[in-house]
Amino acid sequence: GENVEQHPSTLSVQEGDSAVIKCTYSDSASNYFPWYKQELGKRPQLIIDIRSNVGEKKDQRIAVTLNKTAKHFSLHITETQPEDSAVYFCAHRERFGAGTRLTVKP
Amino acid sequence: GAGVSQSPRYKVAKRGQDVALRCDPISGHVSLFWYQQALGQGPEFLTYFQNEAQLDKSGLPSDRFFAERPEGSVSTLKIQRTQQEDSAVYLCASSLVGWDRTKNTEAFFGQGTRLTVV
Repeated sequence: GENVEQHPSTLSVQEGDSAVIKCTYSDSASNYFPWYKQELGKRPQLIIDIRSNVGEKKDQRIAVTLNKTAKHFSLHITETQPEDSAVYFCAHRERFGAGTRLTVKP
Repeated sequence: GAGVSQSPRYKVAKRGQDVALRCDPISGHVSLFWYQQALGQGPEFLTYFQNEAQLDKSGLPSDRFFAERPEGSVSTLKIQRTQQEDSAVYLCASSLVGWDRTKNTEAFFGQGTRLTVV
């Protein structure tokens, strides 16, 4: 099956700083690269996704970049706020990364 | 309802007991996935259905785990002779199209069933 690796496992930033989370994958045939956010006790929800015909996609303070040659995609959150604190998961095909626990300190 | 619905939300089972977890996907969604999420971990893939066909069950941890989706909508995950290591949140997700490498779309998750085996 597909192998998805996500780094870092934990990330702590000051409010207003940027956060970057990276995922690598193995199956180059799939063209869909989503990121999910899971708040404590809640279900994972899609926050942004990208397809392989583009290299970057932005939605306000979040962006996803894709490097198909290197087989990795990254989530970028700028001007972080305390409400960004959550666990973030990348996914590829049916597999999820192990998650990154982001803490934004006020 | 408009979202994915799972029941029960919480289940406490004695070790050795059989349990059945239900998932009602979004109406019309072709793909249905089951995941197991241990505390502090990412969702671990269990199995995938496209309509009523179980196309991938490679993630089921043992033959005590069984899933079905007989009419291509509601799905049931059954765990026989539960053990303490089965304690986790079981998440169901559905997506609109049949999964293949070129047509993945957003997966919508249910709230999950928290299974505790005592």
